[in-house]
Amino acid sequence: DAKTTQPPSMDCAEGRAANLPCNHSTISGNEYVYWYRQIHSQGPQYIIHGLKNNETNEMASLIITEDRKSSTLILPHATLRDTAVYYCIVRVDLGAGGTSYGKLTFGQGTILTVHP
Amino acid sequence: DAGVTQSPTHLIKTRGQHVTLRCSPISGHKSVSWYQQVLGQGPQFIFQYYEKEERGRGNFPDRFSARQFPNYSSELNVNALLLGDSALYLCASSLRRYGELFFGEGSRLTVL
Repeated sequence: DAKTTQPPSMDCAEGRAANLPCNHSTISGNEYVYWYRQIHSQGPQYIIHGLKNNETNEMASLIITEDRKSSTLILPHATLRDTAVYYCIVRVDLGAGGTSYGKLTFGQGTILTVHP
Repeated sequence: DAGVTQSPTHLIKTRGQHVTLRCSPISGHKSVSWYQQVLGQGPQFIFQYYEKEERGRGNFPDRFSARQFPNYSSELNVNALLLGDSALYLCASSLRRYGELFFGEGSRLTVL
């Protein structure tokens, strides 16, 4: 799985958009970009994933650059409850012959602090 | 619908003991994965089981073992506990062999 680079920490004011960047310059054509977050002492929570098109769901939007070397997770209206560690992960979804399909390789992530 | 459930939520063991952690996946999910999260680090992959067969194993010693039952629930066993095994053990389930994982709240193991 490709390695990702994220800033160690970011701040955001409540009600504003939080834009979390992720670099994955060695991503392969069949690797998806996944975002998870982990609120203190809880299990990671799936947010969104995409291959090359921008994606949006009820939680967030994912913007992937055309060359797929970087992406941005957007929380449109951050709340205090969005304070968490955000992990950007790239992973092959269609494994073949011995590929560990369930494996996510977590880095250090970005600690997002939303303040009043 | 119930999410991924894990038990026990907290436990304390001493060095050399054995521990069994349990996980019930989301109904209909056939894949279960286990992760270890040491304080201050991201989760690390231990095992994945799909349709009761081991599909992947991370870089963990043979003291770690797991299995999946016909109802798709799973157990993680750790023998000869070391102080360094103190961690949050996370179980995740998924509908397919790939795709998004849904995590439980974890079992926090403390080894004294």
